Amino acid sequence: ETGVTQSPTHLIKTRGQQVTLRCSSQSGHNTVSWYQQALGQGPQFIFQYYREEENGRGNFPPRFSGLQFPNYSSELNVNALELDDSALYLCASSLAAGGLGANVLTFGAGSRLTVL
Amino acid sequence: GDSVTQMEGPVTLSEEAFLTINCTYTATGYPSLFWYVQYPGEGLQLLLKATKADDKGSNKGFEATYRKETTSFHLEKGSVQVSDSAVYFCALSVSGNTGKLIFGQGTTLQVKP
Repeated sequence: ETGVTQSPTHLIKTRGQQVTLRCSSQSGHNTVSWYQQALGQGPQFIFQYYREEENGRGNFPPRFSGLQFPNYSSELNVNALELDDSALYLCASSLAAGGLGANVLTFGAGSRLTVL
Repeated sequence: GDSVTQMEGPVTLSEEAFLTINCTYTATGYPSLFWYVQYPGEGLQLLLKATKADDKGSNKGFEATYRKETTSFHLEKGSVQVSDSAVYFCALSVSGNTGKLIFGQGTTLQVKP
């Protein structure tokens, strides 16, 4: 059983640029959530995707967007990057959007984004 | 709104010492509660969970009891090892099925030989 894999592991961008982060969910999981973890802080929920549609969103502006593909993999896109977007971005997959199992998340190791 | 507060770290202990990391929460409804652990360079791993009041979650010698009357979910271990050194996050699930977890700020544990 493969876990959650994310790419790239590290990247550096400049203000105003756009970035795409990728995530392959754990085998058998159909739901993907994205979190932003600033240095020294706990992860903050960005949004979740289920059946290729956004299914819940945290307090993040529209320049944070995502996609989920038929194979349940996912992308996080951030436009017009700001310095405060520098963080570790975590992808997590789970079995279903519903019931207690939906909250048992399997996390990837994250993509560390630095915005200069 | 819903929130989680953890004791500030770092917590530094000698091997075989007793560990307590405090966690309290504020939530509407009846959340599920979780402890996740993050080892250096890795993603978060679920350590244990409890889904209703008075439930005790346990795993790898760690325990936490869901206390509704004190809105707490403190993490304990009777004898820590150097390999337990990591960052520990307390989290709660909001009601419903969005997979949204609200995390505390994390507590760094360092265990010395």
